Amino acid sequence: DVKVTQSSRYLVKRTGEKVFLECVQDMDHENMFWYRQDPGLGLRLIYFSYDVKMKEKGDIPEGYSVSREKKERFSLILESASTNQTSMYLCASRFRGLAGLEYEQYFGPGTRLTVT
Amino acid sequence: QQQVKQSPQSLIVQKGGISIINCAYENTAFDYFPWYQQFPGKGPALLIAIRPDVSEKKEGRFTISFNKSAKQFSLHIMDSQPGDSATYFCAASENRSGGGADGLTFGKGTHLIIQP
Repeated sequence: DVKVTQSSRYLVKRTGEKVFLECVQDMDHENMFWYRQDPGLGLRLIYFSYDVKMKEKGDIPEGYSVSREKKERFSLILESASTNQTSMYLCASRFRGLAGLEYEQYFGPGTRLTVT
Repeated sequence: QQQVKQSPQSLIVQKGGISIINCAYENTAFDYFPWYQQFPGKGPALLIAIRPDVSEKKEGRFTISFNKSAKQFSLHIMDSQPGDSATYFCAASENRSGGGADGLTFGKGTHLIIQP
């Protein structure tokens, strides 16, 4: 079974703090993703990574950065947390496979972050 | 700009009935259209997916209908059961890079309730 784990299920941080969200997958997937989920807005892509040390901005990268030093681990960093970053954060991973084919994204359980 | 529009936001269906959720997209470069199912406290999980070279795909009680000319696709759940009560997301992606597509663009979600 593919497993994507996230370091915390719930996290409460103060405005201005630096926040690290960790994601680990155990299936040797090349691609990893960070989304945020908000009621009525669905999931929105923050950043993704094709492979180790590679990263690409998604649709809403402002206020976030990422790090991928090892294949199995993808970190989302909030440099200076703000209240509008209160959200559910979901990590996903996917086998890269062959060009022209699409493979399933596997999601972790999410981290509910509250910034006060 | 919302690239994938999903409706309805919420849906109540009687047990045994047919649940229908619709999505419309704008980007004609999208070439992969998955549906994800999410239960409370869990990350989304892939339910069924389709590529634009077919007009319909069926897996058990779940069917995707795809209309390329109208840029619309829909999920039909036949013989809906209380265990199908969940939030459903349509999504789309385009394969812009060799070796795998970019992240998914999600609809805003449909909260489905199946009444016993």
